[in-house]
Amino acid sequence: NAGVTQTPKFRVLKTGQSMTLLCAQDMNHEYMYWYRQDPGMGLRLIHYSVGEGTTAKGEVPDGYNVSRLKKQNFLLGLESAAPSQTSVYFCASSYSLLAGGGYEQYFGPGTRLTVT
Amino acid sequence: AQRVTQPEKLLSVFKGAPVELKCNYSYSGSPELFWYVQYSRQRLQLLLRHISRESIKGFTADLNKGETSFHLKKPFAQEEDSAMYYCALRTGGSYIPTFGRGTSLIVHP
Repeated sequence: NAGVTQTPKFRVLKTGQSMTLLCAQDMNHEYMYWYRQDPGMGLRLIHYSVGEGTTAKGEVPDGYNVSRLKKQNFLLGLESAAPSQTSVYFCASSYSLLAGGGYEQYFGPGTRLTVT
Repeated sequence: AQRVTQPEKLLSVFKGAPVELKCNYSYSGSPELFWYVQYSRQRLQLLLRHISRESIKGFTADLNKGETSFHLKKPFAQEEDSAMYYCALRTGGSYIPTFGRGTSLIVHP
């Protein structure tokens, strides 16, 4: 199993550009999450999903949109990037109804985004 | 609302010294607590969860409901323990864990 994967690993954007980050998991997990990690701020939840076709806002959702059209994929979009969105973005997934799993999260390797 | 506090941003020790990373939480019910570790430029990975009551890489953590704490301990730190450590809390009925801000552990040779 690949676990949780993220694409791309690195990206540099100019202010105002848009991009989509892709997260994929092969563990049949119900829940998926997008976090941003900034020095001194820890992990902050951007958006999350409790199942295919459902999404919800987290702690810092402004400037981001998400979609979960397929259970295994969770996309994070930046419509008009701003320098304040320079960060490391982590995707995570948790819980499999079929496997009776626990609620610990499995994280992707991260995407390092710089907005100039 | 629940909260997780990791009071130390940075903890610096020498190899072989004991280490304790503090985690305090605020929640009146029965929590589920986790420690995650992130080695330099790598993904976060689960280190411990309190319901397992296990020791991983020499680390242990005991849930103290009276003090609402879940401190992470290791009797003899190793250089390879240098990493960022996050404490996380999940409460019943919620899919969303609450993370502390993390403690950076540096183990000097």
